[in-house]
Amino acid sequence: GDSVTQMEGPVTLSEEAFLTINCTYTATGYPSLFWYVQYPGEGLQLLLKATKADDKGSNKGFEATYRKETTSFHLEKGSVQVSDSAVYFCALSTPLVFGKGTRLSVIA
Amino acid sequence: EAQVTQNPRYLITVTGKKLTVTCSQNMNHEYMSWYRQDPGLGLRQIYYSMNVEVTDKGDVPEGYKVSRKEKRNFPLILESPSPNQTSLYFCASSNGQGRLDTQYFGPGTRLTVL
Repeated sequence: GDSVTQMEGPVTLSEEAFLTINCTYTATGYPSLFWYVQYPGEGLQLLLKATKADDKGSNKGFEATYRKETTSFHLEKGSVQVSDSAVYFCALSTPLVFGKGTRLSVIA
Repeated sequence: EAQVTQNPRYLITVTGKKLTVTCSQNMNHEYMSWYRQDPGLGLRQIYYSMNVEVTDKGDVPEGYKVSRKEKRNFPLILESPSPNQTSLYFCASSNGQGRLDTQYFGPGTRLTVL
């Protein structure tokens, strides 16, 4: 079946460091790809998405590009802030499948 | 404000005592679902509903029941809770289950079964 694999955390970075969280997927057909973020004590919320190959999703300084040839959707941010500390989930649809999440901690 | 609400946010109970976690959305979404989140296992879907009176099992339905009598509400029922159901539970809703649909999540319910 369809699946999503993302890098295990936790990931700890200093403020203003570059962030990459790897995500690869296995799917039949042509899924949409998503990154959701879960801030402490809250539910998940959509961070960005891409619906077809070579699409780039972006939001709040985060970016991810839908790479069909490598079946990847890696999340990147050029300069992280303490407020970016959260758990990040890669997901695909349809059907909706989530990765296990990567915890990011950013220290000042 | 568009939102998904869950109640209670925190619950401590004992084995075998029936409980219900409520979920309500105000976005007129057709699709609703329940997930549990456990360390190292990520999100796992318990049940989902495509519309009123239509419910289906997700990946981990054992020990849970749901109902969808109204479009906005999708309660999760634990008839006889056990300690292995201690978890963080999320309700979610969306317009559908299609490629373009974004899931909207509630704030979560942390359940402890003693």
